[in-house]
Amino acid sequence: NAGVTQTPKFRVLKTGQSMTLLCAQDMNHEYMYWYRQDPGMGLRLIHYSVGEGTTAKGEVPDGYNVSRLKKQNFLLGLESAAPSQTSVYFCASTPFKTGPRYGYTFGSGTRLTVV
Amino acid sequence: AQSVTQPDIHITVSEGASLELRCNYSYGATPYLFWYVQSPGQGLQLLLKYFSGDTLVQGIKGFEAEFKRSQSSFNLRKPSVHWSDAAEYFCAVGNNNAGNMLTFGGGTRLMVKP
Repeated sequence: NAGVTQTPKFRVLKTGQSMTLLCAQDMNHEYMYWYRQDPGMGLRLIHYSVGEGTTAKGEVPDGYNVSRLKKQNFLLGLESAAPSQTSVYFCASTPFKTGPRYGYTFGSGTRLTVV
Repeated sequence: AQSVTQPDIHITVSEGASLELRCNYSYGATPYLFWYVQSPGQGLQLLLKYFSGDTLVQGIKGFEAEFKRSQSSFNLRKPSVHWSDAAEYFCAVGNNNAGNMLTFGGGTRLMVKP
């Protein structure tokens, strides 16, 4: 029972490079989220998706794009990485039918450094 | 808009001592409240949650939290801390918004002295 799996776990990018972070869940959850975690700031929502083919902006969407082509996968893209995007990125998912009471299931995170 | 404040960035307690981590939220109606724990290099694990009923909720690893509407608080407690409890703790609030989104506090890092 894998839950939420994020790849890669670590990555170092040069400024201006692009990359895609992959999140995969095997719980058949409708909702998926991308957060970034920075010291003292908790987790901030980047983008989220309420179902296959749908995405929406969160609190800090600038510089990121997302896609949800399959229900189980949620991709986060950085088209031109900047040092300000150095962070730990977490993916999470939750089912639709329970509403907010279920809470999230989190992946183990991707630590990204942009130099 | 909902928000969460965790006033203590760092807390240090001795092993065996009691613990209370503070969480204050801002939300107009009855919120859904959560505490998560993050061990170093790991993802976030759900400790406990509250959405209705008894205002004192029990969670895993011996933790409990009390919802106090009058104080807009949801403080996390443990009677006797173990060295393995050293981690970062996040309080979060949700509501019946589109997308079931949670808003997280800034976190409290707990250190345990032997």
